[in-house]
Amino acid sequence: GESVGLHLPTLSVQEGDNSIINCAYSNSASDYFIWYKQESGKGPQFIIDIRSNMDKRQGQRVTVLLNKTVKHLSLQIAATQPGDSAVYFCAENRAQGGGSQGNLIFGKGTKLSVKP
Amino acid sequence: KAGVTQTPRYLIKTRGQQVTLSCSPISGHRSVSWYQQTPGQGLQFLFEYFSETQRNKGNFPGRFSGRQFSNSRSEMNVSTLELGDSALYLCASSRVFELQETQYFGPGTRLLVL
Repeated sequence: GESVGLHLPTLSVQEGDNSIINCAYSNSASDYFIWYKQESGKGPQFIIDIRSNMDKRQGQRVTVLLNKTVKHLSLQIAATQPGDSAVYFCAENRAQGGGSQGNLIFGKGTKLSVKP
Repeated sequence: KAGVTQTPRYLIKTRGQQVTLSCSPISGHRSVSWYQQTPGQGLQFLFEYFSETQRNKGNFPGRFSGRQFSNSRSEMNVSTLELGDSALYLCASSRVFELQETQYFGPGTRLLVL
């Protein structure tokens, strides 16, 4: 059948504002979550990760929140800058048999546009 | 420390041909995973290698294969190319896989099948 492009959710923010990007994950067994940023023509770039024994983790200008009850993940970017414009992906990983598998399950992505 | 490198960066092939893509992980990383990224399907896992062994495989046909060498470098091969194989192929490496180490991605190889 015909391939249809993914309709990426888009978030447009003013430079200097805070951005919140949301993600719903699929498997309650997932215990490791990562946010990646992908700029046009580049591979995904690691931003921040969080394990399921945590609810919140902070990095430089970024915070990830994990709500296991509703299987929801969010990425908060403080003082958003034009250089933050990119597609943001959440990814989940689940351990199997005591070890983890090297595969990530990616969300569809959110396109963040920052207006100067 | 150098990042993940992938070669070639761009490739044009015709239907029915085969292609081999190469990935050099970050020094010291032993796990290499491959992903396919398309506008229609997003990022999808192909397979993962650790110590020259395929440890996990995604839902792709047998035309997609890979291998890892003793120096952790990895190759993936796609035989009998189809138009739908046009995609960005991404390689990611991590130190180990047991502890859910962060995966770092290369820039990808963009494959166009005509």
